[in-house]
Amino acid sequence: DGGITQSPKYLFRKEGQNVTLSCEQNLNHDAMYWYRQDPGQGLRLIYYSQIVNDFQKGDIAEGYSVSREKKESFPLTVTSAQKNPTAFYLCASSIVPKGQGAVNTEAFFGQGTRLTVV
Amino acid sequence: AQSVTQLGSHVSVSEGALVLLRCNYSSSVPPYLFWYVQYPNQGLQLLLKYTSAATLVKGINGFEAEFKKSETSFHLTKPSAHMSDAAEYFCAVSSLRSNDYKLSFGAGTTVTVRA
Repeated sequence: DGGITQSPKYLFRKEGQNVTLSCEQNLNHDAMYWYRQDPGQGLRLIYYSQIVNDFQKGDIAEGYSVSREKKESFPLTVTSAQKNPTAFYLCASSIVPKGQGAVNTEAFFGQGTRLTVV
Repeated sequence: AQSVTQLGSHVSVSEGALVLLRCNYSSSVPPYLFWYVQYPNQGLQLLLKYTSAATLVKGINGFEAEFKKSETSFHLTKPSAHMSDAAEYFCAVSSLRSNDYKLSFGAGTTVTVRA
């Protein structure tokens, strides 16, 4: 079955350590995204990528880094520079619309990774 | 840039009653609009989407939403709530332009269903 796989589901790290969250998709989507979710704040975009070897900062990119070496993979690194890293992280993918009339533009989400920094 | 505002962070309904979740959007170009549902500690699942075809959109689990351009709204409804509808619901918007396709989400509305 096609879908998005995030791993691990739960992650614990000590303060000051970098940690990498995995996201893999087999939907043949060009676009991939990372969102952070905190209670009462909805989903905030961290980074997104439209094509291999290219990505753009979202609204809250500080303290995070990404890579897009393969179409299927978009790992997120939470660095020690992120002031408050404890959160629920969601990865998503979608097609890239090719102009008006495009359909099936919805994003498909993984099951999330809950990161707790102690 | 586009954005959505969800009115009401929490909604409580009785089982069998109407569910109404409000979403207003802001977009300088024709939008695509989406409603997603999230159960605890899970990812988001698409309920329905508006992509400039019919203004009344039917989705899964008996939900529907109506696009009203004059009111810049895309409210979600379900005629009769079920206990399994207890979840968090997100409205989202994206643009038809290929250089601004990413989704922007509202803050979410948590629905509780009373027996």
